[in-house]
Amino acid sequence: GESVGLHLPTLSVQEGDNSIINCAYSNSASDYFIWYKQESGKGPQFIIDIRSNMDKRQGQRVTVLLNKTVKHLSLQIAATQPGDSAVYFCAGDSGNTPLVFGKGTRLSVIA
Amino acid sequence: GAVVSQHPSWVICKSGTSVKIECRSLDFQATTMFWYRQFPKQSLMLMATSNEGSKATYEQGVEKDKFLINHASLTLSTLTVTSAHPEDSSFYICSARHPGVGREAFFGQGTRLTVV
Repeated sequence: GESVGLHLPTLSVQEGDNSIINCAYSNSASDYFIWYKQESGKGPQFIIDIRSNMDKRQGQRVTVLLNKTVKHLSLQIAATQPGDSAVYFCAGDSGNTPLVFGKGTRLSVIA
Repeated sequence: GAVVSQHPSWVICKSGTSVKIECRSLDFQATTMFWYRQFPKQSLMLMATSNEGSKATYEQGVEKDKFLINHASLTLSTLTVTSAHPEDSSFYICSARHPGVGREAFFGQGTRLTVV
């Protein structure tokens, strides 16, 4: 499964800058990945997903990159806004198994 | 997207009592739901998979007699924390997949349990 650790790392960015959040996964059988945003006291909210037969997918202001060779995902947020401040998790599964979550990154946007 | 709702949003209970948390899929039927637990500043940890009409599947290290799961209908799964203790205080979150949407999992808003 994915590695899970204590004490979320924090990324601080200036409003308007681009953010890049990284995630490493350990299960080479994972073939579907999702990025979730979690605000304080709330459940995770879907941002964007990608299947393992792709290496890039774009949404509105967000892009997910997948590097299967090194088992690495990244989430890029363009023109980061204060409302983007939250904890971001990557999650993966293999064939409709339960999602396994990465350790998460807290994004703090400086106005 | 599909809606998954949890109730209550927060609960405070005395040590030794039991607490039931409900997870409902509001606009779709879910044969499978998932229960996660999240401690402060940590990631979501899968506790169990709730299967409609059959026994839940628990992850290693999760006591099935302490965390009772019942999935009696296609839209409702319940998690009962029995004989709760302060160390059970946590954020409990359920999720489900909409059969017509694909592999994305939809999450409830979570339940904050505080045991005093």
